[in-house]
Amino acid sequence: KQEVTQIPAALSVPEGENLVLNCSFTDSAIYNLQWFRQDPGKGLTSLLLIQSSQREQTSGRLNASLDKSSGRSTLYIAASQPGDSATYLCAVNVYTSGTYKYIFGTGTRLKVLA
Amino acid sequence: KAGVTQTPRYLIKTRGQQVTLSCSPISGHRSVSWYQQTPGQGLQFLFEYFSETQRNKGNFPGRFSGRQFSNSRSEMNVSTLELGDSALYLCASSLGGIKPNEKLFFGSGTQLSVL
Repeated sequence: KQEVTQIPAALSVPEGENLVLNCSFTDSAIYNLQWFRQDPGKGLTSLLLIQSSQREQTSGRLNASLDKSSGRSTLYIAASQPGDSATYLCAVNVYTSGTYKYIFGTGTRLKVLA
Repeated sequence: KAGVTQTPRYLIKTRGQQVTLSCSPISGHRSVSWYQQTPGQGLQFLFEYFSETQRNKGNFPGRFSGRQFSNSRSEMNVSTLELGDSALYLCASSLGGIKPNEKLFFGSGTQLSVL
């Protein structure tokens, strides 16, 4: 059974720091991995999608890497800003019972202090 | 282009009642999937509808059901509400389904409180 873990559960950093969020999954048979951002009481916004054949994706100050063999992904945020404060979730796309679905991690709650 | 719209935004119900939540996907998207988010269990997959057919279902009891209309709008129904059903219910839409090369677009959710 695929399980997705995110460590740490919460993180507080001063503005301007570079930081890394971690995502681990137990079964390497994934089709893609997405990183999402969720603001309090709101829905999720897709940040980056990495296909299983890719090693990394970049968008602005965000860079996500994927190592399927070790079951790990990292989200790197450069020069953090207070506006980056949110919960970050990773989700792996798996194929079961004849269809695809996403399994989500429990998230890392990030607070960037001004 | 309008995003994913979920209504209502907030709901308060009592145990034993039933509730219907609505999700309008992005125009042209044919897949709608539903998720339950709670502090204890995180985000869990409920089911996915594509072209009015349920394609996949998570591990939730039969009290949770859904349907999709010809315009791709979807509704989720929960009958005989329990206190544990209190959660943020999110829907997501995508063009062709939950496929490896497609991003999911989420609505803002319906916050359900069961008293």
